[in-house]
Amino acid sequence: GNSVTQMEGPVTLSEEAFLTINCTYTATGYPSLFWYVQYPGEGLQLLLKATKADDKGSNKGFEATYRKETTSFHLEKGSVQVSDSAVYFCALSPNYGQNFVFGPGTRLSVLP
Amino acid sequence: ETGVTQSPTHLIKTRGQQVTLRCSSQSGHNTVSWYQQALGQGPQFIFQYYREEENGRGNFPPRFSGLQFPNYSSELNVNALELDDSALYLCASSLSATYEQYFGPGTRLTVT
Repeated sequence: GNSVTQMEGPVTLSEEAFLTINCTYTATGYPSLFWYVQYPGEGLQLLLKATKADDKGSNKGFEATYRKETTSFHLEKGSVQVSDSAVYFCALSPNYGQNFVFGPGTRLSVLP
Repeated sequence: ETGVTQSPTHLIKTRGQQVTLRCSSQSGHNTVSWYQQALGQGPQFIFQYYREEENGRGNFPPRFSGLQFPNYSSELNVNALELDDSALYLCASSLSATYEQYFGPGTRLTVT
């Protein structure tokens, strides 16, 4: 079956540090890959996405590249801010937009 | 443009009871998906409705059922509530079945 694995949290960083949150997936075929963010007290928001191998999704300084050979979609940001503190979810959809499978989430805390 | 709204915000029910959760999709969206998010976990796909028809279902028992109305709002019904049904229930709407999803803030259900 389809599944998503993320690095365990919580992750605590100082402001302006480099961020990597690892995500690997198991799926048949060519799923679409997503990163969602959940800020405290809010619903899930799409952060970025990639729909085919070697695509790079980017938004708000965050980036992730769809690596089919390593079945990975790691999230990176060069310089985090306190406002980036949130829970980050990696997800896949085997048929774009449907039947989403989410990872368990990684909580990020950024300290000033 | 009004986003996705859900009601109620919080709900407490007793084991064995039935519950109905409601979701109003974003204007112009004809597809609604429902997810269950247990504490500390990622959302799990329950089912999706597209133009009033069920269009995909996750690994949930038949006591989880839904409806989508002509205005594309939706209900999630859960019968014979169990303690493990305690979770945040998220609704997401999209322009069509294969487009980006926009999530509501969720309904927190507690079963005692």
